[in-house]
Amino acid sequence: GQQLNQSPQSMFIQEGEDVSMNCTSSSIFNTWLWYKQEPGEGPVLLIALYKAGELTSNGRLTAQFGITRKDSFLNISASIPSDVGIYFCAGPFSGTYKYIFGTGTRLKVLA
Amino acid sequence: EPEVTQTPSHQVTQMGQEVILRCVPISNHLYFYWYRQILGQKVEFLVSFYNNEISEKSEIFDDQFSVERPDGSNFTLKIRSTKLEDSAMYFCASSASWPDNEQFFGPGTRLTVL
Repeated sequence: GQQLNQSPQSMFIQEGEDVSMNCTSSSIFNTWLWYKQEPGEGPVLLIALYKAGELTSNGRLTAQFGITRKDSFLNISASIPSDVGIYFCAGPFSGTYKYIFGTGTRLKVLA
Repeated sequence: EPEVTQTPSHQVTQMGQEVILRCVPISNHLYFYWYRQILGQKVEFLVSFYNNEISEKSEIFDDQFSVERPDGSNFTLKIRSTKLEDSAMYFCASSASWPDNEQFFGPGTRLTVL
């Protein structure tokens, strides 16, 4: 079925460290979006990617649209405690109005 | 800054009862969505809605579910006869366009079915 797999599933890091996570699919995506979700809240859009190879930054966050169009990467530099949450990749499944979310990466930052 | 709002924030209901979850999307957005998130799991797509009709629905969105835009501002999700497994967070989202859309999510409604 249509699935976006994220890795790692969870990570514990020290404040100040850089973080990398990725999202892969067996199908091609034309748009990749990265969201962050904090407990009890809705997902908040962080970065949107629209072109293969595109590299986009939003503050300490940088995301890349893989050239195969089957993967995307999110990096967080110099992590801080408020980076804690679950990070989801998402995108519209090609040829449909159906939106798929990844399995999520749970990030915990130790001060 | 415009935002998506949802009411109620928490709904408790008895199994078999009907519930209506309400959303007010961002005012100039044209595409509307409902998602479900069971506790601790990923966000699951339920339905997308455009031009007063369903554009796409997932296998979760069976005959027990329906959506409506009764006026120019509200977007509702109705579950006709709730089951225990319908307990989840329900998120509404909206976007200005498709497919280069950026969906903005509401804070969610926590539905508890007893």
